[in-house]
Amino acid sequence: DIVMTQSPDSLAVSLGERATINCKSSQSVLYNSNNKNYLAWYQQKPGQPPKLLIYWASTRESGVPDRFSGSGSGTDFTLTISSLQAEDVAVYYCQHYYSTPYAFGQGTKLEIK
Amino acid sequence: EVQLVESGGGLVKPGGSLRLSCAASGFSFSKAWMTWVRQAPGKGLEWVGLIQTKTDGETTDYAAPVKGRFTISRDDSKNMLYLQMNSLKTEDTAFYYCTTQFDWSSGDHWGLGTLVIVSS
Repeated sequence: DIVMTQSPDSLAVSLGERATINCKSSQSVLYNSNNKNYLAWYQQKPGQPPKLLIYWASTRESGVPDRFSGSGSGTDFTLTISSLQAEDVAVYYCQHYYSTPYAFGQGTKLEIK
Repeated sequence: EVQLVESGGGLVKPGGSLRLSCAASGFSFSKAWMTWVRQAPGKGLEWVGLIQTKTDGETTDYAAPVKGRFTISRDDSKNMLYLQMNSLKTEDTAFYYCTTQFDWSSGDHWGLGTLVIVSS
């Protein structure tokens, strides 16, 4: 089974500054046949279900602000928020969907400094 | 509008059973792979399992902690998804969400979850 590890566990960033969250998979989630990384990023606010932000490692879900971007390939991935807004306070999860079980990372709690 | 509404949660004793339901609407349920995800209070997300479409054989797959105890099923005539949970353990206490995640034809949608508490 593929294990997902995020870093850091928590992060405090000033409004307007950049936030970077990392995610590492225990084996590659890049499917060679289609050259796609089977990696998604979710945002979860208190009392709400998760919301999809990014899929295929770098494709932004419709309606997601362009300050959110995903990058990386193979085993190392990054979620970047270019200019932190107050409404971005949440827990962020990476998840692979390369093969079942589709494991999540442990989550990164993002707060305002 | 896509809606997923979970129900059936509650308090159950260790070793007991519970069946969760998820009522789906607003999309072609019979064509969607459906997934259950859980979250223990204050903890992270945990993938529980999925069921493929009837066309794909209604194949199911489960996370190791629930394999052999949980069963996912669907009734396409009623647009319903189910999670039968047997031999429940205290560590199964969580909010249980049904979702269409990674079913690209349906989009990524989640219910609000239903809380299962396993306690004596």
